[in-house]
Amino acid sequence: GDSVTQMEGPVTLSEEAFLTINCTYTATGYPSLFWYVQYPGEGLQLLLKATKADDKGSNKGFEATYRKETTSFHLEKGSVQVSDSAVYFCALAPSRQLTFGSGTQLTVLP
Amino acid sequence: DAGVTQSPTHLIKTRGQQVTLRCSPKSGHDTVSWYQQALGQGPQFIFQYYEEEERQRGNFPDRFSGHQFPNYSSELNVNALLLGDSALYLCASSRTSGGPGGNIQYFGAGTRLSVL
Repeated sequence: GDSVTQMEGPVTLSEEAFLTINCTYTATGYPSLFWYVQYPGEGLQLLLKATKADDKGSNKGFEATYRKETTSFHLEKGSVQVSDSAVYFCALAPSRQLTFGSGTQLTVLP
Repeated sequence: DAGVTQSPTHLIKTRGQQVTLRCSPKSGHDTVSWYQQALGQGPQFIFQYYEEEERQRGNFPDRFSGHQFPNYSSELNVNALLLGDSALYLCASSRTSGGPGGNIQYFGAGTRLSVL
């Protein structure tokens, strides 16, 4: 079945460091791919998405490229801020439901 | 423009009881999905409602049931609660257009259910 594997956390970085959170997927067909972010005590917010191979999603300095050949959708940010501390979820949608990875806890220290 | 709203925020129940959670979708959305998020894990899909019918279901027992009303709001019911049902229950709404996989789901803040 469809699945998402995320880089295990937690990840701790200093402010202005470069961030990469790895995400690979297994799916039939051509699913849409998403990154969601969850701040403490809140629901999930859509961070970015890509709907076909080679698409690059971007938002708030975060980027991820849909790589069909490596079945990956790694999240990157060039310079993280303390306010980026949250849990990040990679997800795919081959149909109407979302399938999530287990999440990666990011802590950014000042 | 109100986003997805869920009630109640927190709930404490005992084993064997029944619970009802409520969700109002974002304005303009006609589809509601429910997810269960256990502590430290990613959300797991329970089911999705569209046009007042269950359109798709995840791997959850029949103790989990739902309903969608004509105004697109939705309820999640869980019968015969187990300790393992303790989780954050998330509602997400979307607009059924753009084909499968193309719909963006917007999430509410969730209902934290504790089963004692």
